[in-house]
Amino acid sequence: GQNIDQPTEMTATEGAIVQINCTYQTSGFNGLFWYQQHAGEAPTFLSYNVLDGLEEKGRFSSFLSRSKGYSYLLLKELQMKDSASYLCAVEGAGAGSYQLTFGKGTKLSVIP
Amino acid sequence: ETGVTQSPTHLIKTRGQQVTLRCSSQSGHNTVSWYQQALGQGPQFIFQYYREEENGRGNFPPRFSGLQFPNYSSELNVNALELDDSALYLCASSFNREETQYFGPGTRLLVL
Repeated sequence: GQNIDQPTEMTATEGAIVQINCTYQTSGFNGLFWYQQHAGEAPTFLSYNVLDGLEEKGRFSSFLSRSKGYSYLLLKELQMKDSASYLCAVEGAGAGSYQLTFGKGTKLSVIP
Repeated sequence: ETGVTQSPTHLIKTRGQQVTLRCSSQSGHNTVSWYQQALGQGPQFIFQYYREEENGRGNFPPRFSGLQFPNYSSELNVNALELDDSALYLCASSFNREETQYFGPGTRLLVL
C-alpha cells in the first residue's frame, strides 16, 4: 500500500521562505512529484524527483531522500499568488502501472 | 494551460443515474489517467489508459469504467451514482505512461 503524509496547513509571510515536508511509505517507487493547486482549479506540475538530492527551478526547489522516504518543497521569496494547496505525489512502480498516489495536500496561506 | 480539456465543467445528477465525463488529451500524448478529488482531499487514482488499453486501476468499484479512443481522448463512465460520488473528476494526459502527467480543469459532479 501507499501512505503519504504532509502538513494540513501552513502560513508564511510575503517575501519569506517556506518548506513543505512530505513523508511516504510505499510498496513501489518510480519518483515523486509536487503539484500546486489553487482553489477550484486543476493541479499544475511543479517538480519531479527520481534521484536523491535537490532540484532547483526558479523560486521553487524540491528535495528527495529515497532511503528516508522524505521530500520537501522549498518556496523562496513568497508572493501572495503562492497561496494554494501543494500536493505531494508518489509514482508507483510495477508492471503496467504509473499511477500517482497523492497526499491530502498542504494549504499554504501567504500573508502580507 | 496544459492543452488538456474536459467536458462538461459542471454536472448535477441524482442517485442511481449514470454519467459520462469526457477528456481530450494534449496533442501527442497517448496516456490518460483519471482521478477523483473529494473536497479537502488529494486526488485519488481511478484508472489509466495507455494506447486504448487499461493500464492500471485504483481502488474503485466496477461501476467506474472507462474508454480511450484511437485519437487518445477518453471517457469516464459512472453507473448507479451514489451521493459519495460527488467530487471533482480530473483527467491527466502524458506523452507516455511514465512521463509527467498534466491535468485538465476537471468536471465538478454533484449527486443529489
